[in-house]
Amino acid sequence: EVQLVESGGGLVQPGGSLRLSCATSGFTLSSKSMNWVRLAPGKGLEWVAYISRDSSTTFYADSVKGRFTISRDNAKNSLHLQMNSLRDEDTAVYYCAREGIAVSTFDSWGQGTLVTVS
Amino acid sequence: EIVLTQSPATLSVSPGERATLSCRASQSFSRNLAWYQQKPGQGPRLLISATSTRATGIPARFSGSGSGTEFTLTINSLQSEDFALYYCQQYDDWPPTFGQGTKVEIK
Repeated sequence: EVQLVESGGGLVQPGGSLRLSCATSGFTLSSKSMNWVRLAPGKGLEWVAYISRDSSTTFYADSVKGRFTISRDNAKNSLHLQMNSLRDEDTAVYYCAREGIAVSTFDSWGQGTLVTVS
Repeated sequence: EIVLTQSPATLSVSPGERATLSCRASQSFSRNLAWYQQKPGQGPRLLISATSTRATGIPARFSGSGSGTEFTLTINSLQSEDFALYYCQQYDDWPPTFGQGTKVEIK
């Protein structure tokens, strides 16, 4: 069974930093591209960041470019999101999401970790 | 980027009835549209990709259709476990974008 478990969320002041992690199991992480997607209060889902299977390619939403960094450790079955210069509008539940068979769909998601910037 | 508008925001349906959810795109694209279901405290679950292809394990009462700028998710004979939040997502253009969601609630 595929499992994605996020951790690292919490309360942080504006301008602060936080590092999210996603522990994966039930599949070979190195065979899948991965993403972070967030859900802000009162808003819809927003794709945040993408990383290819071998970490050679990363993409970011314009709203986080230059502040967030996605990374992965295939040997440790983990995905990370380093978030710097946090803003009020980054408050959201952050989900790690596995890329589906169709590129840029998301076929498995974690339960999310809450980040509150205040 | 492609903006997706879902309607209605909330849909009240009785168990056993049919629910029809709409997703309208700001520009036309092919079939690269997915639907997700989300329940409180859980991450979203992929229901449908490529407009009408059900994901593994998704019951046949869920069906998708549409093209261009108008897409529809239909849930036939609603079961208690179907009352949830539903999102559409396009992956035809970069970045991938989602609609604001439709909440299906018990009438």
